[in-house]
Amino acid sequence: QVQLVQSGAEVKKPGASVKVSCKASGYTFTSYDINWVRQATGQGLEWMGWMNPNSGNTGYAQKFQGRVTMTRNTSISTAYMELSSLRSEDTAVYYCARGSVVVPAKDWGQGTLVTVSS
Amino acid sequence: QSALTQPASVSGSPGQSITISCTGTSSDVGSYNLVSWYQQHPGKAPKLMIYEVSKRPSGVSNRFSGSKSGNTASLTISGLQAEDEADYYCCSYAGSSTSPWVFGGGTKLTVL
Repeated sequence: QVQLVQSGAEVKKPGASVKVSCKASGYTFTSYDINWVRQATGQGLEWMGWMNPNSGNTGYAQKFQGRVTMTRNTSISTAYMELSSLRSEDTAVYYCARGSVVVPAKDWGQGTLVTVSS
Repeated sequence: QSALTQPASVSGSPGQSITISCTGTSSDVGSYNLVSWYQQHPGKAPKLMIYEVSKRPSGVSNRFSGSKSGNTASLTISGLQAEDEADYYCCSYAGSSTSPWVFGGGTKLTVL
């Protein structure tokens, strides 16, 4: 079965960077997009960006342009999302999701809580 | 790219039907049949319930159905059950290859 397993919770100081991993199994990693979605406590879902694991092509929401980088290591079927210049408003649960051109998130990771606090 | 508009909350009694709306614009919902719906229980990851406006993934109850008219998509849940109480989010393709997806603000469904 399809599984997306994310790295554990992180606590970062303002101005730092965080890199969250998402290890895929149960399907061909390079055949589906990886989307990243975040959710602040008590808030809604916010799409951050996508990556094509085959080509490495990416697209980011304008809000995160310049601060987010999505990469992958195909040899270990793992996607990464790095967010820099962290501020308190970035405190949220970050999800990776397997998607396609017709749906951004067929399957979801378990989420990674990133807390930004001085 | 603005978030799609959903009602903050809806409610219904067991056995009833409810509909959640998702209003976008002619640049997203109105132009593409690429609306999806997600169910999220507290503390859990979201789950895909509907994609391409009205298609159900394998394993999703046929009590869940989707439709679209103009710039507004809708999710209908019939035969409401206690386990349906959750947050629901719509999502639409927004016409950009670099920034393709936009979510709605979410709707809290309460089963009375």
